[in-house]
Amino acid sequence: GAVVSQHPSWVICKSGTSVKIECRSLDFQATTMFWYRQFPKQSLMLMATSNEGSKATYEQGVEKDKFLINHASLTLSTLTVTSAHPEDSSFYICSAPGPTNTEAFFGQGTRLTVV
Amino acid sequence: DAKTTQPPSMDCAEGRAANLPCNHSTISGNEYVYWYRQIHSQGPQYIIHGLKNNETNEMASLIITEDRKSSTLILPHATLRDTAVYYCIVPLRGSQGNLIFGKGTKLSVKP
Repeated sequence: GAVVSQHPSWVICKSGTSVKIECRSLDFQATTMFWYRQFPKQSLMLMATSNEGSKATYEQGVEKDKFLINHASLTLSTLTVTSAHPEDSSFYICSAPGPTNTEAFFGQGTRLTVV
Repeated sequence: DAKTTQPPSMDCAEGRAANLPCNHSTISGNEYVYWYRQIHSQGPQYIIHGLKNNETNEMASLIITEDRKSSTLILPHATLRDTAVYYCIVPLRGSQGNLIFGKGTKLSVKP
């Protein structure tokens, strides 16, 4: 089946620095990808929709200047957490609709810890 | 997305069938029922989906009631690796983006 690869799987960064997370569709093209965030013991919440060649669409309450999304190719979307703070520590997950658009494929997630 | 209701947790003995219920009484006639699961510290994984007929694949079976207001995911022979949170989702217009993940059912498969 289709595979979505996310990198890194975990990262620890200092407060105030920026972190980039990559999401790749390995064997299919994805004009749209989705970024979710999951806090401990909570469910996934959609942060933004990444559109190839155009601006991302952010959910209400998500700061677009803090969570920069770039979708420069049909197989790669990146999420950059800028000026990270401890409250940004979370599990970030990307997804892409599969080739037949009948199911979503998720990356393995990135555990971000800001110290 | 149509609202779904699932029990917060269930236990199942290894090797036995796990039957996970979901209520979706507000589902529209053309909306599909999807099941995903999330093993701890991993991204969600697609399991199965259906409209009104029962469906089966290599992972599970999906039984949808005739009125489509509820469904049951069946793992025929649960293993320890099936321990996960199972989400029943009715995507808006079938879109695979902006999936609304509720709290799901935490299935614990015990030896």
